[in-house]
Amino acid sequence: DAGVIQSPRHEVTEMGQEVTLRCKPISGHDYLFWYRQTMMRGLELLIYFNNNVPIDDSGMPEDRFSAKMPNASFSTLKIQPSEPRDSAVYFCASRTDRLGTEAFFGQGTRLTVV
Amino acid sequence: GESVGLHLPTLSVQEGDNSIINCAYSNSASDYFIWYKQESGKGPQFIIDIRSNMDKRQGQRVTVLLNKTVKHLSLQIAATQPGDSAVYFCAEAYSGGGADGLTFGKGTHLIIQP
Repeated sequence: DAGVIQSPRHEVTEMGQEVTLRCKPISGHDYLFWYRQTMMRGLELLIYFNNNVPIDDSGMPEDRFSAKMPNASFSTLKIQPSEPRDSAVYFCASRTDRLGTEAFFGQGTRLTVV
Repeated sequence: GESVGLHLPTLSVQEGDNSIINCAYSNSASDYFIWYKQESGKGPQFIIDIRSNMDKRQGQRVTVLLNKTVKHLSLQIAATQPGDSAVYFCAEAYSGGGADGLTFGKGTHLIIQP
């Protein structure tokens, strides 16, 4: 398996533009997580899905952020409109349905909003 | 102006020495703990995990110790190598349901001196 695949690896956009980050989880994994990593706040959980259903989105910072998982092999995190403070590395992770198992992370998308 | 970021604790050890990285976790209900390693430009990578019914677990060159009384985790790396240089995160989770995401600590930067 190629692991969790995220695209793009780097994204530079202007303030006010829409940004869409993409994730392909490991096949057979029932959970998908979106994390954001910044120097100020470290790694923060934004939202996670179980069997394509959003379970907890309490970490999503504001209504400008939205996430979808239309099927078991694809998820998107959208920011509209983007702001400079959204600049961060966004990670997607997935894991199996077994309780107490590790999550596998993608390589991340480095987002810069100018 | 200059941004103020996380001041990551830094541990510098000589190549070949043993290192110990410490972590204090926050939730007394957490029953599953993981250590992740993150190299520059990459996503967190699983190293070792431990459940709350254990106080020690060993892997290849790594040992995790758990002290539930004081909510403390440690990661011991034996005979450190240059490739061990990275930021190390502890993460906690409660496998009883309702909160499936991992909560990450702030991280420790391990530097291996030649």
